[in-house]
Amino acid sequence: GQQVMQIPQYQHVQEGEDFTTYCNSSTTLSNIQWYKQRPGGHPVFLIQLVKSGEVKKQKRLTFQFGEAKKNSSLHITATQTTDVGTYFCAGRAGNNRKLIWGLGTSLAVNP
Amino acid sequence: DAGVTQSPTHLIKTRGQQVTLRCSPKSGHDTVSWYQQALGQGPQFIFQYYEEEERQRGNFPDRFSGHQYPNYSSELNVNALLLGDSALYLCASSLGVATGVNYGYTFGSGTRLTVV
Repeated sequence: GQQVMQIPQYQHVQEGEDFTTYCNSSTTLSNIQWYKQRPGGHPVFLIQLVKSGEVKKQKRLTFQFGEAKKNSSLHITATQTTDVGTYFCAGRAGNNRKLIWGLGTSLAVNP
Repeated sequence: DAGVTQSPTHLIKTRGQQVTLRCSPKSGHDTVSWYQQALGQGPQFIFQYYEEEERQRGNFPDRFSGHQYPNYSSELNVNALLLGDSALYLCASSLGVATGVNYGYTFGSGTRLTVV
């Protein structure tokens, strides 16, 4: 069945360093979404990417959707302690209503 | 504009019992999805409701059932609770999934279920 792999599982950075998490699907996706979950919290929707090669920015966060629509990345520039949490990607294949979730990348930031 | 509301926030049940969790979607949303999230894991899709019908289901046994009401609110029922059912149960609402237009999900804060 469809799988979404996310790497790395954990990332520990110094405040000010950059951070990137990668998401790879076994099948072509119609769209991919990114969520952030703070420790003890619930997932919060960040963004959705739909088009091949799409790049979107939200302040220090840059999201990319691969040309083949099978991979995606989230890059954070100059991390801050407020970036701490687990970042999940979740994708849909074709007309499937179900989101397939990656296992998440947990980010820890040392002040 | 109210977000997604879940109740109760915490619950302790004994193995073998039954539990009902409730969710009120964000105003204007018509689709409700339920997820189970074990500690340190990603959300696992249980099922999704639209127009009062279960539209999709994940790999969960029949002990997990649900319902959606005309006002779009939803319930998740779990029968014959097992210790392994202990988890955070998240409700997520969205709009337009059935029309093929995909929007992001708005999650509630979840119900923390502990089975002892």
